[in-house]
Amino acid sequence: GQQLNQSPQSMFIQEGEDVSMNCTSSSIFNTWLWYKQDPGEGPVLLIALYKAGELTSNGRLTAQFGITRKDSFLNISASIPSDVGIYFCAGHHRDNYGQNFVFGPGTRLSVLP
Amino acid sequence: EAGVAQSPRYKIIEKRQSVAFWCNPISGHATLYWYQQILGQGPKLLIQFQNNGVVDDSQLPKDRFSAERLKGVDSTLKIQPAKLEDSAVYLCASSLHQGTAYEQYFGPGTRLTVT
Repeated sequence: GQQLNQSPQSMFIQEGEDVSMNCTSSSIFNTWLWYKQDPGEGPVLLIALYKAGELTSNGRLTAQFGITRKDSFLNISASIPSDVGIYFCAGHHRDNYGQNFVFGPGTRLSVLP
Repeated sequence: EAGVAQSPRYKIIEKRQSVAFWCNPISGHATLYWYQQILGQGPKLLIQFQNNGVVDDSQLPKDRFSAERLKGVDSTLKIQPAKLEDSAVYLCASSLHQGTAYEQYFGPGTRLTVT
């Protein structure tokens, strides 16, 4: 089935630094999504991207839907301690045969004060 | 607006025992999803309901897992009998309808430990 790869697997940054993480796939998706998961909680939707090339911002977060429809990136500017968590990308594909919703393995972010 | 509710939050059972998880989606959300999240991995979709009908259960291990959503609102996921590899967090999510599958809202999950 379709799989997503995320890089890096984990990262440690200083408070105030910018962060960038990627998600790639061998298959195309119609929609890319970015979620954040805190310990003991379910994932929370951060940004949804619906069109190839689309660049969308949500506060300090910016994400882009790759032109090839096989990748996406998420940037976080001026990181703060509450940015700590696991960031998942997810791809959604829908066609005449049904739909597929796949999560990546996640990028674990640690923010050092 | 109340979020997705799940219970119990934690469950410890021995292998070969049975267990059931309950989910109450956001009011008015027609589509409900059950995911399995193994430690260190992303969530994996097990089953998707549209109202009380199954849309996709291709990744549900049907020899031991079952799920129902009889009245199109609450849902129950059952494992019978459990295996060690079933230890995971079971997440429930809902969306307004199937067309908004990408805008899913997740519950806090049930952490299952099988010993």
